[in-house]
Amino acid sequence: IAGITQAPTSQILAAGRRMTLRCTQDMRHNAMYWYRQDLGLGLRLIHYSNTAGTTGKGEVPDGYSVSRANTDDFPLTLASAVPSQTSVYFCASSESAGGAKNIQYFGAGTRLSVL
Amino acid sequence: GQNIDQPTEMTATEGAIVQINCTYQTSGFNGLFWYQQHAGEAPTFLSYNVLDGLEEKGRFSSFLSRSKGYSYLLLKELQMKDSASYLCAGMDSNYQLIWGAGTKLIIKP
Repeated sequence: IAGITQAPTSQILAAGRRMTLRCTQDMRHNAMYWYRQDLGLGLRLIHYSNTAGTTGKGEVPDGYSVSRANTDDFPLTLASAVPSQTSVYFCASSESAGGAKNIQYFGAGTRLSVL
Repeated sequence: GQNIDQPTEMTATEGAIVQINCTYQTSGFNGLFWYQQHAGEAPTFLSYNVLDGLEEKGRFSSFLSRSKGYSYLLLKELQMKDSASYLCAGMDSNYQLIWGAGTKLIIKP
């Protein structure tokens, strides 16, 4: 069982370019999340999806978009990358959004540098 | 506002015990999580507390006091492999996790 897979592992991107980070899970989890992690800061939620077909905005959604066409996939798109989006991006999933079922399992992360 | 506070860095000796504290302020409260994150890797789940008291899981224990907005993670019989960052996260009324910046634990022989 792979769990949760992110691609690419790392990427260097020119400012202004469009980029999609991929995330796939095989645990049949209902909820999925995208976080960014920056040095000295906690994980910050970008977007989330409590179930296929629905998405919601997190703490730092500007400049990012997501879709949840099915249970397994939750891609994150940067429409026009800016240097402040340089970060490590983690995708996570949980059985559901509430209580102990919100134990989140993380992918290995995508290290993105925007120049 | 919502906030999670934990120390930036702690140092401990192999074989010893260390306690990592976390204070939280969230809009509503639906539980407190601890995760471990080794450098360059993904966070992995350690514990979840929603009721007051101590939960023990092998060498790791986690404590919660809801009235004080306080939790700690206790690591016993420290091993070199425990060198990592430990992340505290509170779950708010919308079931979203609010994360602390993490405590980097350095284990010395």
